[in-house]
Amino acid sequence: DVKVTQSSRYLVKRTGEKVFLECVQDMDHENMFWYRQDPGLGLRLIYFSYDVKMKEKGDIPEGYSVSREKKERFSLILESASTNQTSMYLCASSFSPTSVEQYFGPGTRLTVT
Amino acid sequence: KNEVEQSPQNLTAQEGEFITINCSYSVGISALHWLQQHPGGGIVSLFMLSSGKKKHGRLIATINIQEKHSSLHITASHPRDSAVYICAPMNYGGSQGNLIFGKGTKLSVKP
Repeated sequence: DVKVTQSSRYLVKRTGEKVFLECVQDMDHENMFWYRQDPGLGLRLIYFSYDVKMKEKGDIPEGYSVSREKKERFSLILESASTNQTSMYLCASSFSPTSVEQYFGPGTRLTVT
Repeated sequence: KNEVEQSPQNLTAQEGEFITINCSYSVGISALHWLQQHPGGGIVSLFMLSSGKKKHGRLIATINIQEKHSSLHITASHPRDSAVYICAPMNYGGSQGNLIFGKGTKLSVKP
């Protein structure tokens, strides 16, 4: 079974802090994704990566950056957290660029105060 | 512009009822996911389909590519089916396996 894990289930940070959210997958998947999910808006793609050190912006990249130094690990970075980044963050992975099926992590509920 | 529309947004059913959730999309797609999200956040893939119909236990998913429409059916619904169900087509124009997501249908099944 594919396993996608995220570093924290719940996180509370202060405005202006630098925040790291980590995601690890154990199935040698090429693609990894970071989404945020907000009530009434559904899931929105922040960034994705299709290979080590490769990244592409999704629909809402502003205020975020990502890092993929190893194939199994994809990090989302909030350089200076703001209250409007309070959200549920979900990581996902898929086997290849042409693979539709994505496997999701359990999510990190981030609150920025 | 909403490329994926789900209906209904909220659905309350009695245990045992037959449930249908609909998904319409406006873009050309190669395949479509139905996802289930329980309270607490974790998302599980229920189905991935590109044509016809798939069945898994009490769940049935259908897709009509020409009509750009998919449905998820739950037979003999149970309170443990209470969750948010999300339709997620893969856009032909999207790069690198990107999905586009509906806003979800929140299902509550009462005992």
